[in-house]
Amino acid sequence: SQQGEEDPQALSIQEGENATMNCSYKTSINNLQWYRQNSGRGLVHLILIRSNEREKHSGRLRVTLDTSKKSSSLLITASRAADTASYFCATDRFNQAGTALIFGKGTTLSVSS
Amino acid sequence: ETGVTQSPTHLIKTRGQQVTLRCSSQSGHNTVSWYQQALGQGPQFIFQYYREEENGRGNFPPRFSGLQFPNYSSELNVNALELDDSALYLCASSLAQDRVGGEKLFFGSGTQLSVL
Repeated sequence: SQQGEEDPQALSIQEGENATMNCSYKTSINNLQWYRQNSGRGLVHLILIRSNEREKHSGRLRVTLDTSKKSSSLLITASRAADTASYFCATDRFNQAGTALIFGKGTTLSVSS
Repeated sequence: ETGVTQSPTHLIKTRGQQVTLRCSSQSGHNTVSWYQQALGQGPQFIFQYYREEENGRGNFPPRFSGLQFPNYSSELNVNALELDDSALYLCASSLAQDRVGGEKLFFGSGTQLSVL
């Protein structure tokens, strides 16, 4: 079944650096979303980008979407230790009733001070 | 804080038992989804309820069942527990304009289920 796949699986950076995570998916989508999860707790929605959008910003987050390549990227600028978490992309099934979000395996980001 | 609460936070059961997990949706939301997250994996969709009706199901056997109540709270029931059912179970609520969805989800903190 359709699934987002994040790359890299793990990323370690220093505070102040930028972090880029990529996501690829297989079939047509309505929206693509990014979520963050701290240490085995609930996921927190970060940003939603629709299939007719190419780029979206929210604070230090920048998301791009390339539907021709079926890929998205999440850029976190000027990272902080508090950004340490797992990040997941999630895609929905296109134009079907009973829409679910399909998550990838995630990228684990470690930001050291 | 998302306004979605789950209970209990932790649970230990033995193989073959039955378990009920509960979720209280964020006020005003009409849709609830349940996900299973194994260690080191992304959440996997179990099923979704929209206005008290099942609105889609993932690749889970019938021993996984659910309910959504008129106040939009929800239950996940798992019968005949297996060792592989050990996971974090996440509930998420949302406000869907129609059955198609794709809207953002508000997650609870999850129930960690251990099956021994």
